[in-house]
Amino acid sequence: GQSLEQPSEVTAVEGAIVQINCTYQTSGFYGLSWYQQHDGGAPTFLSYNALDGLEETGRFSSFLSRSDSYGYLLLQELQMKDSASYFCAVRDNYGQNFVFGPGTRLSVLP
Amino acid sequence: GAGVSQTPSNKVTEKGKYVELRCDPISGHTALYWYRQSLGQGPEFLIYFQGTGAADDSGLPNDRFFAVRPEGSVSTLKIQRTERGDSAVYLCASSSQGDGYTFGSGTRLTVV
Repeated sequence: GQSLEQPSEVTAVEGAIVQINCTYQTSGFYGLSWYQQHDGGAPTFLSYNALDGLEETGRFSSFLSRSDSYGYLLLQELQMKDSASYFCAVRDNYGQNFVFGPGTRLSVLP
Repeated sequence: GAGVSQTPSNKVTEKGKYVELRCDPISGHTALYWYRQSLGQGPEFLIYFQGTGAADDSGLPNDRFFAVRPEGSVSTLKIQRTERGDSAVYLCASSSQGDGYTFGSGTRLTVV
């Protein structure tokens, strides 16, 4: 089986930097993805890490440490539009489907 | 198409009825996934197709749920004898390489 843990809520102000952590327990591991979901919208793919280290895409970066079963999403220069739920998802060892975490609701304040 | 299309966007049905939810993936994407999401929770895996065949259906909760993808493109999720606990947003996603999904906007199913 798989289990993923994320903080339920994070609050930050515009222009700040915020880190959303994800820890996982899995029998196998192929990679970690992050998705953003605005209220009433579909999840949108942000990043995928298969190997250890930091991947940077604009204001967003994602980090993976397989030895620690840990990853995080780093959001820089926060904007109001970044207020959303963020999900980590682990690629199941036995196929291409992902198991999603419970999500972290990010609120960006002015 | 340009994105993943799901129809209907909303479906209200009475307990015990049969419903079909349709997903039209991105053209050329061989992998198609169904998830369902309850309010305040992460998407829950239901079934994954590679081409026409169900590669993994371990997430289907019981035998009332069934999905098909007869021509390797459009997929239909079928729910028999619906129950109030089936109420959720049903999300479809497709991918070409498996590292990132493109989700549709979902079908909000309400069983009354």
